[in-house]
Amino acid sequence: AQRVTQPEKLLSVFKGAPVELKCNYSYSGSPELFWYVQYSRQRLQLLLRHISRESIKGFTADLNKGETSFHLKKPFAQEEDSAMYYCALRSGVNFNKFYFGSGTKLNVKP
Amino acid sequence: GAVVSQHPSWVICKSGTSVKIECRSLDFQATTMFWYRQFPKQSLMLMATSNEGSKATYEQGVEKDKFLINHASLTLSTLTVTSAHPEDSSFYICSAQDGVVDIQYFGAGTRLSVL
Repeated sequence: AQRVTQPEKLLSVFKGAPVELKCNYSYSGSPELFWYVQYSRQRLQLLLRHISRESIKGFTADLNKGETSFHLKKPFAQEEDSAMYYCALRSGVNFNKFYFGSGTKLNVKP
Repeated sequence: GAVVSQHPSWVICKSGTSVKIECRSLDFQATTMFWYRQFPKQSLMLMATSNEGSKATYEQGVEKDKFLINHASLTLSTLTVTSAHPEDSSFYICSAQDGVVDIQYFGAGTRLSVL
C-alpha cells in the first residue's frame, strides 16, 4: 500500500535560517512525488514536483529512492513561507491517484 | 491561473437529508477530477477519482452508494452525500486535473455539518 509520512506536525524556524521539511514514502513502483502548500486562508496549490527538478520560491526537493525520501529544503526561510506543507505521491495504473501526507505546519518567526 | 470553483463553501443539513457539492473548472477542461475528505488536523484522504462520462473509481472503504459522484462534463463534477449522518460531517475538497499541463488544481473546500 502507498503511504506518505511527514513526521513533523509543526516546524518553527527563525527568518533566515535553513529549513527542511521531511517526507518519506512507501511505494512498490516508481513514484511521482509532489509538494503542495496551503497559505493561510487559501486553497491548496502545487509547489513543486520531483520530475521538474526545479526551484520554486527558493525551495528544492530531491527524490532519494534509496532512502525513499523527498524532503523539502530552503536555505534561508522567509516569513512569507509560513504555511501548511503537504507531501504527496501519485500512483495508480493511469497515475490518477494521489496520496497525501499529514502535513507540516511551517512557522517562520521574525 | 487555472481556477477550480467549489460550492457551497459551507453547508449545514439535518440528518437523513442529501447534500450536493459542485466542483467546476472555470478556465480549463479537466481530464480527471478528484474528491478528498479531510478530518480536523489530518491529511487529505482520496475518496474517489472521476473522469468525464465514466463511473467514478472509489477508494477502498468509501461507500459509492453513500457518496455519489457524477462527472457530467469536462468542467463539472458533483459529489452527493446521500442520507447524511453526523459522522459524515467533514471538510470535502475537490480538485481538477488539467491534462495539458498535468497539474492538479484545488477547490477551496466545503465544510459539511450534519445535525
